[in-house]
Amino acid sequence: AAGVIQSPRHLIKEKRETATLKCYPIPRHDTVYWYQQGPGQDPQFLISFYEKMQSDKGSIPDRFSAQQFSDYHSELNMSSLELGDSALYFCASSPGTGGFYEQYFGPGTRLTVT
Amino acid sequence: AQKVTQAQTEISVVEKEDVTLDCVYETRDTTYYLFWYKQPPSGELVFLIRRNSFDEQNEISGRYSWNFQKSTSSFNFTITASQVVDSAVYFCALTSNTNAGKSTFGDGTTLTVKP
Repeated sequence: AAGVIQSPRHLIKEKRETATLKCYPIPRHDTVYWYQQGPGQDPQFLISFYEKMQSDKGSIPDRFSAQQFSDYHSELNMSSLELGDSALYFCASSPGTGGFYEQYFGPGTRLTVT
Repeated sequence: AQKVTQAQTEISVVEKEDVTLDCVYETRDTTYYLFWYKQPPSGELVFLIRRNSFDEQNEISGRYSWNFQKSTSSFNFTITASQVVDSAVYFCALTSNTNAGKSTFGDGTTLTVKP
């Protein structure tokens, strides 16, 4: 069965650079969630989209922005990168918004900022 | 507000021992879902189980079993006859409709199974 695809899987950037993370949800899933997991921490919710509109927002820095496109894939754009942005970034998709629907997590993108 | 507490930060057992990972949750919603995920050193989140708030039936899947008790807001996970491959970080998570479906994770429990 198709799973959530995230690219790239690994990314190394320098401070103050920008990064773009991509997420391709499972076909027919219209909801995408982004999470950030710092070293030794639990995943923290950043932002979510339902039908290409932002549906909820968590602790996402102003330097980050995200959007969901017409084909339902989503991109997380991160600017002015800081060392503290080094983390594992997960995308999850679900066939609807709300807790009723199970989230399917992608393999994550490991971002290292040097 | 939602909260998930995994009081055990680290657990170490010897192979073949049984081990229980605790999870206590808080939510004002009457409809919610609880999850357990396994995160091996490779980093991906491996889905283990999903349970809705109306189904308190315990579940067994091979060496894994889950005990959901609404009266104590707990959703504990037991591994029977643990194996070295069970070594990982285990997360308990909660979602609800009024929280737009996003997952609230516990801090995780690092399980080390020694040969």
